[in-house]
Amino acid sequence: ETGVTQTPRHLVMGMTNKKSLKCEQHLGHNAMYWYKQSAKKPLELMFVYSLEERVENNSVPSRFSPECPNSSHLFLHLHTLQPEDSALYLCASSQVYGGNNQPQHFGDGTRLSIL
Amino acid sequence: EDQVTQSPEALRLQEGESSSLNCSYTVSGLRGLFWYRQDPGKGPEFLFTLYSAGEEKEKERLKATLTKKESFLHITAPKPEDSATYLCAVQAGYSSASKIIFGSGTRLSIRP
Repeated sequence: ETGVTQTPRHLVMGMTNKKSLKCEQHLGHNAMYWYKQSAKKPLELMFVYSLEERVENNSVPSRFSPECPNSSHLFLHLHTLQPEDSALYLCASSQVYGGNNQPQHFGDGTRLSIL
Repeated sequence: EDQVTQSPEALRLQEGESSSLNCSYTVSGLRGLFWYRQDPGKGPEFLFTLYSAGEEKEKERLKATLTKKESFLHITAPKPEDSATYLCAVQAGYSSASKIIFGSGTRLSIRP
């Protein structure tokens, strides 16, 4: 496998459920990112990990909890979500965090729907 | 405040009709500008990175250019398969903790 892989592709959950999103990158990158993409809005950066350490947390509610066990894997744990959390959640990676000219490579996302 | 604005929001072209998409930015400490293509139900696909004013990159029917205030994505003789949303993103900041700011995108539709 190559690139960035996200599972599941689609997820429907109730407001009281607990679920996790998974991301795996096969590019040998050191930085990984979670983004939220809502209709007609720019991508919103949620979390950044560099070498398995969280380096950014952009005022994301605590019902979203990231985990980065190693540089290839990233999880987003979800609990007690709200209907406004329905969106496409994208994972990305880049070679390093903070260097110049560091394009990000994205997975195809998890489409999350909260009932 | 750092800002990235893309225009137009949507663009419909006839096959073969060339045009340009605009990405204007106001940031402190440009460290890179990126263009992505996003198809429905997919994640953004990296196209180009630009860093210096005057720089140009080309790929098939696409050509990206950069000035100190904006970037253009020129599409020459487009085909229906070029239909997608095109995203611009800017990496900015003077310290090691640079940030990446995305525009809202341009939805491009090419009619056969």
